[in-house]
Parts: sequence; structure tokens; C-alpha cells
Amino acid sequence: DAKTTQPNSMESNEEEPVHLPCNHSTISGTDYIHWYRQLPSQGPEYVIHGLTSNVNNRMASLAIAEDRKSSTLILHRATLRDAAVYYCIVSFTGGGNKLTFGTGTQLKVEL
Amino acid sequence: EPEVTQTPSHQVTQMGQEVILRCVPISNHLYFYWYRQILGQKVEFLVSFYNNEISEKSEIFDDQFSVERPDGSNFTLKIRSTKLEDSAMYFCASRAGTGGPGELFFGEGSRLTVL
Repeated sequence: DAKTTQPNSMESNEEEPVHLPCNHSTISGTDYIHWYRQLPSQGPEYVIHGLTSNVNNRMASLAIAEDRKSSTLILHRATLRDAAVYYCIVSFTGGGNKLTFGTGTQLKVEL
Repeated sequence: EPEVTQTPSHQVTQMGQEVILRCVPISNHLYFYWYRQILGQKVEFLVSFYNNEISEKSEIFDDQFSVERPDGSNFTLKIRSTKLEDSAMYFCASRAGTGGPGELFFGEGSRLTVL
């Protein structure tokens, strides 16, 4: 799996957008970019994934740089329930390949 | 919404005892995983399982660990002789595995405390 670099922590105010960055300069052409999050005392939870194009779903948006060496997870309106550790994982996930979790970004959301 | 369920939610055991952690993956999923997370540390991959055999395992998954899918619905992780350092949260996950990098669904975890 390609190495990823994320800030250790970020803070946001409730109802404001949050942009969580991830650098993955060694990404290969077949690697997907995955984002998971882990709320306190829970298992990891899928957020979004993409390959080359930007992606949107009900939880978030994923903006992928043109050279694919970085990406940004966008939470459009942070809520207190979004306080979690967010993991950016780059992996070729053909078949049943595992995902390797790093230390992620601890997102704190304040009123 | 379908979910991965794990039992027990918390187990306390004495060092040297055998422990079995159980998981019911999402029906029709083909790939199964165990991860663990020691308190305050990263989520670590242990093993992946497909077509009734281990497809990949980490260095952590030594001879003390085994996995089984005994009846087509349950997926178990056995630790033969527990050590203090096995104390952790163990997460089961499953993936459909059909067509591309599908979502990994995790259970809520089983907390293992070894005394």
C-alpha cells in the first residue's frame, strides 16, 4: 500500500465545512483512495472512495488532485457527531486485499 | 441496513486461556477480515479469509491465532493461549467482493481483556 500523510489533528466549528487533507505521493495507477472514520469506541466506518475523479455521496465529497498525489475529504457541514479519527488509505483493492490503517486525523468539532 | 455483528462485546480471561471471538458477516459477502486495535494505537490487520481459506495474514497472526468459518454464517477468531499483550479491541469486517474496491463493513468490536 502507498504511504499516506495526514495531519494529526484538526479542529472545526459546527455547521462549517471541513477539509481534511491527505498526501499520497507514491500512489500507483491502480490504487484507489479510501476514507474511513472511527467514532469513539466504535469500529471503523466507510466514508468514501475514488480513483481519479471527484466523488460525492451523502456523507462527504472527495476531491482528488489531477496528479493523484493528494486528496481532500470534504465534510460540507460538520456536526458534533462528525468528531472522529479520519483515515486516508491508498490501496489497490482488487479482490479481497486488505486495507492498512495509519494514525489518521483526529477531528474535533466545537459548538 | 445490513451489519456485521460481533460477540461477545467484552470478554475477560486469564492469561493462557483459549478465547473464541465470533462474528456474523453480512450475508452474501465473500471476503472476511479480522483487525485489532490496542488501546490508543492504530487499527492493525490480522488476517483475511476467502473461499474457506486464509488469503493473507500479518506477522501478528502467529500460530496462537486461527480463524474458521464453521457453518457458512459465522466467522470466528480463536486465540489458543492468550497473553497479556493480546488485550485489545478485535474488529471483524466483511466485503462483498464483487466488482471493484467495495466498502469494508466493520462490526462494533469485541473487547478482550487478558489478566
